[in-house]
This record gives sequence, C-alpha cells and structure tokens, in this order.
Amino acid sequence: GENVEQHPSTLSVQEGDSAVIKCTYSDSASNYFPWYKQELGKRPQLIIDIRSNVGEKKDQRIAVTLNKTAKHFSLHITETQPEDSAVYFCAAPRGGLVDSWGKLQFGAGTQVVVTP
Amino acid sequence: GAVVSQHPSRVICKSGTSVKIECRSLDFQATTMFWYRQFPKQSLMLMATSNEGSKATYEQGVEKDKFLINHASLTLSTLTVTSAHPEDSSFYICSGRALGDTQYFGPGTRLTVL
Repeated sequence: GENVEQHPSTLSVQEGDSAVIKCTYSDSASNYFPWYKQELGKRPQLIIDIRSNVGEKKDQRIAVTLNKTAKHFSLHITETQPEDSAVYFCAAPRGGLVDSWGKLQFGAGTQVVVTP
Repeated sequence: GAVVSQHPSRVICKSGTSVKIECRSLDFQATTMFWYRQFPKQSLMLMATSNEGSKATYEQGVEKDKFLINHASLTLSTLTVTSAHPEDSSFYICSGRALGDTQYFGPGTRLTVL
C-alpha cells in the first residue's frame, strides 16, 4: 500500500513570507495528489490537487509541484496571511492508482502558524 | 457545490449506549462514502469505505460489529457506534466521492463517551 510522509510537522512563518510543505510517497503508480486545509474543529477542505500528467498547478497564492521521479510533491503558499494558519494534509491514493473506490492515504499533517 | 452534511455535530453519551451519525451529500450523488476517525493533533484515519447498496469494507483493526455502516442511498450513509466506551471518544468525519477523484468532507461529529 501507499506510504505518505509529510514534513515539517510544524511551520511558523511571518506574514507575507512563503510557506512550503513537502510530501513523499512510495508507490510510483500513484496518479492523484490532493492537499487539504483543516482549521481547528472544522472539516478538511480541498485547496488544490494535481494529477501525475502535470508537474505544477497554481491557484492564486497556492501552488503544488510534483516530481514523479523523486516521488514527492510540495505545497507552496506565497504572501502568507494570518487566515492561512491551519493544519495542512497531503494525500495520495491508497492503492497507488486511483481505483474505483478512491481511497486516500493522508500524511501526518503540518501545523502552519502565520504571525502578523 | 459538493456539500456534505453530518449530524449530529456533537454528542455526549454514557458508556454502553449506541450512537448513530448521519452523513449526507446535499448536492451530488456520492458513489462512495468514507468514514474517518481523527484523534487530537493527528491525521485522518480511514475506518471504512461504503458503496450504496453494498456492504462496507473495513480497514484492518476496525471492528465491523462495533462500527456499523449503512449506505442506504447515493446521498446517505450512517455510522452507528455500538456499545460505546470512553476510548471511542473521537472526531468522526465522513466524506463523499462522486465520479471524480475528489473527496468532499462533512463537518465532523465530536463524540464524547462518559
């Protein structure tokens, strides 16, 4: 099965700086990589995802990069704001390829704190 | 779009009682629904996967007789925690998946067993 490792576990940044979170996965067949943001006591919300046929995807201040050779993908948040403070989770398909079930294996999470 | 609701949001029960949690996809048909458990400051741990009209599949270590899952329709799945004990206290979150790969999460249910 898929093994997803996420680093760092905590990240403190000054408002306006960039934040980068990295995840590695084990199954080279994995083809779908979502990122979720979870505020305290709330539901995880999808913020961006990427498929294995592209190397980078951007959405305003958020971007995700994928290196299939090295089997890692990263979340980049630019011009961070206090409202970016949350726990961020990466994920990859449990069985490698996204199958008919769509099960995901989540990373351990990164607590991001943006200080004004 | 892609909204998932969960009810109740919080429940406190006595040890030995059963608790039912409902998960509904409000504006899409969820071909598959997932149930997760999340302990404080930890990641999402998949408990079980269910497809409408068929039996749920449980992850290793999750007791199917304790965590009963029913997926009666494409918009409703329920999780019943039977004979709850204090160690079952946790944040239970469901998610629904349509035809694509994206999972949309419910707001979660905070279960406290006294």
